[in-house]
Amino acid sequence: QPVLTQSSSASASLGSSVKLTCTLSSGHSSNIIAWHQQQPGKAPRFLMKLEGSGNYNKGSGVPDRFSGSSSGADRYLTISNLQSEDEADYSCETWDSNTRVFGGGTKLTVL
Amino acid sequence: EVQLLDSGGGLVQPGGSLRLSCVASGFTFSTYGMSWVRQAPGKGLEWVSAIGGSGDTTYYADSVRGRFTISRDNSKSSMYLQMNSLRADDTAVYHCARISAAATDYWGQGTLVTVSS
Repeated sequence: QPVLTQSSSASASLGSSVKLTCTLSSGHSSNIIAWHQQQPGKAPRFLMKLEGSGNYNKGSGVPDRFSGSSSGADRYLTISNLQSEDEADYSCETWDSNTRVFGGGTKLTVL
Repeated sequence: EVQLLDSGGGLVQPGGSLRLSCVASGFTFSTYGMSWVRQAPGKGLEWVSAIGGSGDTTYYADSVRGRFTISRDNSKSSMYLQMNSLRADDTAVYHCARISAAATDYWGQGTLVTVSS
């Protein structure tokens, strides 16, 4: 089954940009993934579905500041013009025929 | 507006049972797969189980297979998770979630399950 690897933490300044990475395990580099945001004390929120081509489809109401891109087995989430409310955990998800997998999540701190 | 309302959590002793429920609204429930995802205190998200729209296909994580049973009642726009032989490491917030075009696209608020003596 696929494995997703994420850095445990990241930080960036208010108003700047940050690029979070989710890496697919060997043999699964073409998998589609989803990015989810979880603000403190809240339920997760779907941000986007991201293909290996770099094409992505965002969820309802997700700001334009959020974008996705891909390179090989890496899937990226870029947040531009960081706001205080972007401080959250960001998790990636993928799936195959009979299982679903989440990455360990990246805790983003907005300085 | 899509809404998922999960409930049924609580405190249960090791070896005990609990049944979680998820009531959906705002979409045609029977046309979507659904899943349960849990999050242990201070940990990341862990997929638990999924079920197809008709209820004919079910999937489980290795950690719960044989102990948990997922089901749904499309006439009630509801999904369930029967949890038996509960262990301390099953302690978590359990979220129901909708699956659309393979991705999880909506989440419930979650219900806390605590397994402790």
